[in-house]
Amino acid sequence: DTGVSQNPRHKITKRGQNVTFRCDPISEHNRLYWYRQTLGQGPEFLTYFQNEAQLEKSRLLSDRFSAERPKGSFSTLEIQRTEQGDSAMYLCASSLILNSYNEQFFGPGTRLTVL
Amino acid sequence: TQLLEQSPQFLSIQEGENLTVYCNSSSVFSSLQWYRQEPGEGPVLLVTVVTGGEVKKLKRLTFQFGDARKDSSLHITAAQPGDTGLYLCAGANRGSTLGRLYFGRGTQLTVWP
Repeated sequence: DTGVSQNPRHKITKRGQNVTFRCDPISEHNRLYWYRQTLGQGPEFLTYFQNEAQLEKSRLLSDRFSAERPKGSFSTLEIQRTEQGDSAMYLCASSLILNSYNEQFFGPGTRLTVL
Repeated sequence: TQLLEQSPQFLSIQEGENLTVYCNSSSVFSSLQWYRQEPGEGPVLLVTVVTGGEVKKLKRLTFQFGDARKDSSLHITAAQPGDTGLYLCAGANRGSTLGRLYFGRGTQLTVWP
């Protein structure tokens, strides 16, 4: 299967700990996106990369959040000093720059629970 | 802020019934995408509509994009239990905000056998 993969699928952590999630996009896709989804809501945009460049960040992305895509392939999302309000599903998506309709393909997500 | 409103929020029907869900916005989008999401999984892309007035069919699912490209609808004929899931619409733009998709809250559909 060459779809978007995310690891881990589930993460339980205690408040104040740091967590890191990984996303591997579809291999030929040069755009990569992070979204957050809480119960009863649609996904909310966090940030996106075109190759290794981070082109846009949402105001939702506080200074405790950092994302990287060092080689333009996989990406990591780190949350420092986690808070209970960070509990959510973190979704990664990828797309092709040549896709003018911005069709994005999502991974299965990482479910974060902060105790 | 570009908001997409979806209605109804919840829909519970019997197998074989028809249904329509709506996605409305005050903003114009260059394209609109429909996704279905199952519990604990990521959204799966169903269709993209790009032209005002466009109608696309995917088996028993019919998608329509409004003439003004501000709203869309999804009609399911003869719903089946396998259609159960969260249906999300998402708007995309061209230009400086090309990156992000703007999602609605979704319609949670349950189809009972």
